[in-house]
Amino acid sequence: SAVISQKPSRDICQRGTSLTIQCQVDSQVTMMFWYRQQPGQSLTLIATANQGSEATYESGFVIDKFPISRPNLTFSTLTVSNMSPEDSSIYLCSVENTGFSGEQYFGPGTRLTVT
Amino acid sequence: GENVEQHPSTLSVQEGDSAVIKCTYSDSASNYFPWYKQELGKRPQLIIDIRSNVGEKKDQRIAVTLNKTAKHFSLHITETQPEDSAVYFCAVEYGNKLVFGAGTILRVKS
Repeated sequence: SAVISQKPSRDICQRGTSLTIQCQVDSQVTMMFWYRQQPGQSLTLIATANQGSEATYESGFVIDKFPISRPNLTFSTLTVSNMSPEDSSIYLCSVENTGFSGEQYFGPGTRLTVT
Repeated sequence: GENVEQHPSTLSVQEGDSAVIKCTYSDSASNYFPWYKQELGKRPQLIIDIRSNVGEKKDQRIAVTLNKTAKHFSLHITETQPEDSAVYFCAVEYGNKLVFGAGTILRVKS
């Protein structure tokens, strides 16, 4: 499977600021996704990052709060904007194994704490 | 709607015993059902999956069974070992995305 990396691995941020998380894959993939995992909870899809077009957001998530970029087939960023303590969570990117619908592999995650 | 229910929420077994986790889903059009294992502080790892053209799939000590008529699927772990202790998530493919169950904390007591 693809090797997926995320930066930063963790960060502590002040409320009102923004943080951009990077996701890098070692091979070209069509589908990339961003998830949030709050402490002790399951994985919630934020959006699907589409190469060359705007991301597709899930109910409850908006572009102004979580802008996403997907400039090419190996890279994506998620920005958490105007942060509040409720945004403290782990953010994970995932990629779909091209040709195998639904088969997703996750990056190591970014642990965000907002104070 | 896109609903995935997972049971139990916690499961404690004695080392060597079997563990079974069950998930139910709502959309009969769904065709892909993966299981992920997440150890503390680590990323979720895909451990086994099944597509709707088969009813059962095995990989060493783990197996997944699918009942499309009843819209449920289950993870079976045999001869459990302490290293099987983790959180397990089922997922269902709805359209182009995965929807995850709430997770099961599995504790294997030695």
